[in-house]
Amino acid sequence: EAGVTQSPTHLIKTRGQQATLRCSPISGHTSVYWYQQALGLGLQFLLWYDEGEERNRGNFPPRFSGRQFPNYSSELNVNALELEDSALYLCASSSSVVPYGYTFGSGTRLTVV
Amino acid sequence: SQKIEQNSEALNIQEGKTATLTCNYTNYSPAYLQWYRQDPGRGPVFLLLIRENEKEKRKERLKVTFDTTLKQSLFHITASQPADSATYLCALDPLKGRRALTFGSGTRLQVQP
Repeated sequence: EAGVTQSPTHLIKTRGQQATLRCSPISGHTSVYWYQQALGLGLQFLLWYDEGEERNRGNFPPRFSGRQFPNYSSELNVNALELEDSALYLCASSSSVVPYGYTFGSGTRLTVV
Repeated sequence: SQKIEQNSEALNIQEGKTATLTCNYTNYSPAYLQWYRQDPGRGPVFLLLIRENEKEKRKERLKVTFDTTLKQSLFHITASQPADSATYLCALDPLKGRRALTFGSGTRLQVQP
């Protein structure tokens, strides 16, 4: 069974540009979660999508947005990039039926220069 | 305010000993709590989930306890090995399944051969 896949692995952008990160969940998982992990820091919750709907949003500005597609894959968009957005962006998926652990991807390392 | 606290200082132990990591939380009433392992530059890996009505959970060399009165979870690795060296994160369900997991900042464990 394929795990959670994220692309690209690395992304370098210039301040002010837009970044698009992609995530494919484990087959059968309908919930997708996005977390930001700045260097040396903990995981900060960004967004939760389930069945195509945004269920929950973390304390991030509106320039962080995303969506979930009918096949449950998801994309995270970050507009007007700032230097502080440089971080590892992690996507996770889970079944929404019962409380299981999250399965994380390996992340996208975003560097804003 | 709501807080999840894990010891930010690294825990260094000798191979073969038992490692005990602590997770304390305030102003949460989680239905369950989870523990994850994270290696540098990788996504966290789910280890164990314990529900609020469970006192203890075991999986191979791992043991987790959950004390909802003390608002504390302890994570034990018995017969530790150098391969257990990693950062361990606790995560809790902040609103009875209606919010995504909130993660602690993690404790780095170093097992010396």
